[in-house]
Amino acid sequence: GAVVSQHPSRVICKSGTSVKIECRSLDFQATTMFWYRQFPKKSLMLMATSNEGSKATYEQGVEKDKFLINHASLTLSTLTVTSAHPEDSSFYICSARDSRDQETQYFGPGTRLLVL
Amino acid sequence: EDQVTQSPEALRLQEGESSSLNCSYTVSGLRGLFWYRQDPGKGPEFLFTLYSAGEEKEKERLKATLTKKESFLHITAPKPEDSATYLCAVHDNFNKFYFGSGTKLNVKP
Repeated sequence: GAVVSQHPSRVICKSGTSVKIECRSLDFQATTMFWYRQFPKKSLMLMATSNEGSKATYEQGVEKDKFLINHASLTLSTLTVTSAHPEDSSFYICSARDSRDQETQYFGPGTRLLVL
Repeated sequence: EDQVTQSPEALRLQEGESSSLNCSYTVSGLRGLFWYRQDPGKGPEFLFTLYSAGEEKEKERLKATLTKKESFLHITAPKPEDSATYLCAVHDNFNKFYFGSGTKLNVKP
């Protein structure tokens, strides 16, 4: 139980294009999902908290217009990196909190983004 | 501000050599403390949630304990496949999550 998937697992794009990453909770409903960014050999950096049916809450320093988050259903949240630049290259990981267990976050496998 | 500190940053063990990883925290009301395992290039894998001081949880060679100031992840007779980065995180009363920087464990055969 408590499986979270992400798609794609790896993506390479050209500078200036947009990339969408999907995060799905496969066997539970998630009213809250989180998006993290992880730099090599570093811990997780929370980018935003995504709540189903409402606007995402972004952490300080994270550009809302650049990292668009949509949480349209209880099992799906998407992160769109708009007008991507090489500095956006990173490992993006989502997590989901089971609606029945408001404490534990279950993580997806991550998406490796490389912007050329 | 709430903080989570993990130590050591890195730990090298021989196979079968038991040890403990530490997670110290200062938080405005603890709602939960979590341990995750992360392998290179993958998302964190959930291990344990602890809610209150005195609580203990076990899974195979791992045992997590919690006090009011810290948590330990005890690894008994580790195997090379236990090599990974172990992350600790806390959830506070303001509904904020804080992650430690992790302990990278390397178990040599």
